[in-house]
Amino acid sequence: DAGVTQSPTHLIKTRGQQVTLRCSPKSGHDTVSWYQQALGQGPQFIFQYYEEEERQRGNFPDRFSGHQFPNYSSELNVNALLLGDSALYLCASSPSGGRYTQYFGPGTRLTVL
Amino acid sequence: ELKVEQNPLFLSMQEGKNYTIYCNYSTTSDRLYWYRQDPGKSLESLFVLLSNGAVKQEGRLMASLDTKARLSTLHITAAVHDLSATYFCAVDSRGATNKLIFGTGTLLAVQP
Repeated sequence: DAGVTQSPTHLIKTRGQQVTLRCSPKSGHDTVSWYQQALGQGPQFIFQYYEEEERQRGNFPDRFSGHQFPNYSSELNVNALLLGDSALYLCASSPSGGRYTQYFGPGTRLTVL
Repeated sequence: ELKVEQNPLFLSMQEGKNYTIYCNYSTTSDRLYWYRQDPGKSLESLFVLLSNGAVKQEGRLMASLDTKARLSTLHITAAVHDLSATYFCAVDSRGATNKLIFGTGTLLAVQP
């Protein structure tokens, strides 16, 4: 049984560019959450998707947007990249609308130059 | 706003010793999680604590929850080098989703 998968593993972009990160949830999970983890800090909640809709959002600007597909996979898009967007982006999935333990993917390391 | 604090931020200990990591949170919550993160890696779920007085143990790690004090502890017994990692507690923010609020993390270094 495959766990949560994310792609790409690493990504280097320059300021002002746009990036799309992808996540496939664990089998049987229908809820996907995205977190940003800056170096030396705990993960910060970006948003959560359930039934193809954004259900809750953290304190992140509109430059951060997402999407969930009918197969429950999800994308995180970040526009107009800033140096401060450099971080590990983690996707987490959980079953039944999100009220259970979240399982995290390996993450995408984004570096903005 | 829910806040989660951990201490210590850094813990250097010798193999064979015992120690405790503390996690305090500011408002009532349904559940508390402990995760482990190895350098450059993702988060591994260790425990989920659902009620006051809950205690869970796995190997040399034992987690407990006191919802009245809004405190959880992660106790390490007879530490071994393989336990070296960063440990995070996270609290469910309640409501329809389980948006997790993470603590700052505790970097544990077990020295031989």
